[in-house]
Parts: sequence; C-alpha cells; structure tokens
Amino acid sequence: DVKVTQSSRYLVKRTGEKVFLECVQDMDHENMFWYRQDPGLGLRLIYFSYDVKMKEKGDIPEGYSVSREKKERFSLILESASTNQTSMYLCASRGWDRGTDETQYFGPGTRLLVL
Amino acid sequence: AQSVTQLDSQVPVFEEAPVELRCNYSSSVSVYLFWYVQYPNQGLQLLLKYLSGSTLVKGINGFEAEFNKSQTSFHLRKPSVHISDTAEYFCAVSVAGTALIFGKGTTLSVSS
Repeated sequence: DVKVTQSSRYLVKRTGEKVFLECVQDMDHENMFWYRQDPGLGLRLIYFSYDVKMKEKGDIPEGYSVSREKKERFSLILESASTNQTSMYLCASRGWDRGTDETQYFGPGTRLLVL
Repeated sequence: AQSVTQLDSQVPVFEEAPVELRCNYSSSVSVYLFWYVQYPNQGLQLLLKYLSGSTLVKGINGFEAEFNKSQTSFHLRKPSVHISDTAEYFCAVSVAGTALIFGKGTTLSVSS
C-alpha cells in the first residue's frame, strides 16, 4: 500500500514564526502536492512538484514556499505565519496504478493553528 | 481551465435509504474524474475513479458513479447507506499530468 505520512497531526504556532510542514511518501512517486482545506472551500492547491528540485505554484501560493531536495520528501514552509493560515494542510503523492493511473494518495493531514 | 461543482453542500438521509451526491465539471478537454471520502480528522481516501472505458464505475464500500459526458456529470450513488457512511465526500477532476481540482465537498449525514 502507498503510504504518505505527515510530520505532525496538530501544530500550534505564533504569528510571525517560520513553520515547516513535512511530508514523506514511500512509493518512489515523482509527483507530490500540498493543499489546504477550509470549511466550505474544499481543497485548494498551494504548490506541487513534478520531481526533485522542481516546483510549480498552485492556486494559492502567497505566503508559502516549498522544498523538494529528495524524491520522497516534500516540505511546505510558512515564512512568517499569519492567523489566516490557520487551516488543515494535506499532502498528496501520485504514482502509477498498474501503469494507467492519475490517482493522488493523501496523508492524514496537519491541523495548524496560528495564534 | 477545469472546475468542479458539487451541487449540495449537505445531504441528510436515513439509514438504508439510497443516496445520490451530485457533481458537475467544466472542461474543454478530456478529464479524469474521482470521488474521495474524508472521515472526521482523517485524510482523503479514494472511493472510485473514471479514467476511460465503461462509464459506470464501481468503488469501495458499495459506492458507484456514472460518467455522463453530454451532461458533464459524475454523480455518486449508493443504494443503501449505513451510519458509517457519514463523512465528507469530494469530487475531483484532472487533466493528464496536472494536479487534481476539487469541488467544495458534500457532507453526508446518515441517521437511524
């Protein structure tokens, strides 16, 4: 089974802090994604990465950056956390299912509270 | 660009009743379609997907969905729901190689 893990289930940070959210997948997938989930808004794409050291902005990249130094790890960075970044953050990974797939596999999520 | 509309934000049903969660999409090119389920305090789990072939797709937990290209819909159905089906359901679309675009979700509440 594909496994996507996220470093924390819950985080509490102060406004202005630098925050790192880590995501690791164990299936040698090239593609990885970061979404945030807010009530009534669904999931919105922040950044994605097609391969190591590659990144693309999603729909809401402002206030975030990412790092992908190794294939299995994709980090989301909040340079200076603000209260409007309080949210659920979901990481996803995409590989191939029997060679014909576009399925994204999700981690359990990190619920971030910025005070 | 693609977009997804989930027509109902909340769907309350009684146990053992049938249910349909509606999803419409917009795209000028061929798409792949997905339904995910999210139980409280958990990540998203794939229910089913349409990539090509038969337009009736069967998934886990007794769910199925039908791809209707002319109506640009991908509605999710289950003939008899259980209490344990209470969750949030997300419809999503992608074009080959791109990230998934999600609808805003439908909360299914099953009561006895």
